[in-house]
Amino acid sequence: GNSVTQMEGPVTLSEEAFLTINCTYTATGYPSLFWYVQYPGEGLQLLLKATKADDKGSNKGFEATYRKETTSFHLEKGSVQVSDSAVYFCALTLIYNQGGKLIFGQGTELSVKP
Amino acid sequence: DTGVSQDPRHKITKRGQNVTFRCDPISEHNRLYWYRQTLGQGPEFLTYFQNEAQLEKSRLLSDRFSAERPKGSFSTLEIQRTEQGDSAMYLCASSFLAGVEDTQYFGPGTRLTVL
Repeated sequence: GNSVTQMEGPVTLSEEAFLTINCTYTATGYPSLFWYVQYPGEGLQLLLKATKADDKGSNKGFEATYRKETTSFHLEKGSVQVSDSAVYFCALTLIYNQGGKLIFGQGTELSVKP
Repeated sequence: DTGVSQDPRHKITKRGQNVTFRCDPISEHNRLYWYRQTLGQGPEFLTYFQNEAQLEKSRLLSDRFSAERPKGSFSTLEIQRTEQGDSAMYLCASSFLAGVEDTQYFGPGTRLTVL
């Protein structure tokens, strides 16, 4: 079936450290890939997306590249801030195969210390 | 563009009671999705609408759950005879489907606690 696997958290970093959160997927078609972020007590905010292989999504210093050969969509940021502390979700959708519903990973909690 | 809104934000109820949640999508979005999120997990799909038509329901959506989108605008999700296992965050998202573009934008969620 279709699924998303993320690295387990929590991830604890010092401010200005480099961030990588791994995400791999299994899909029966050609998915679109997303990263969403969830701050405590809030809903999900779209962080970035990529709709085809080799596309790079970017936003607020975060980047992720759609790698079809490794079925991955790892999230990176060069220098994290305390305000980046949140839970990050990787997700996929298959418009033609599944009607567009999002399939999420389990989430990775990031804690950035000053 | 005011974003997706949900009401109420929090609901505490006793087991066996019925509850109803409302979602107002971004105006002109033709798709509306409901998800459920339990603590420490990613959201799980429940159901979705394209305009007023409910196109898919997850097996998670038991007979006690019903969702409507009567005029293709706002949607309601009702849970009858609530159980403690229904305690979760209920998230609504909307999107405008255009070709293969279907980016979903989420509301703040309704947190349900069943005592």
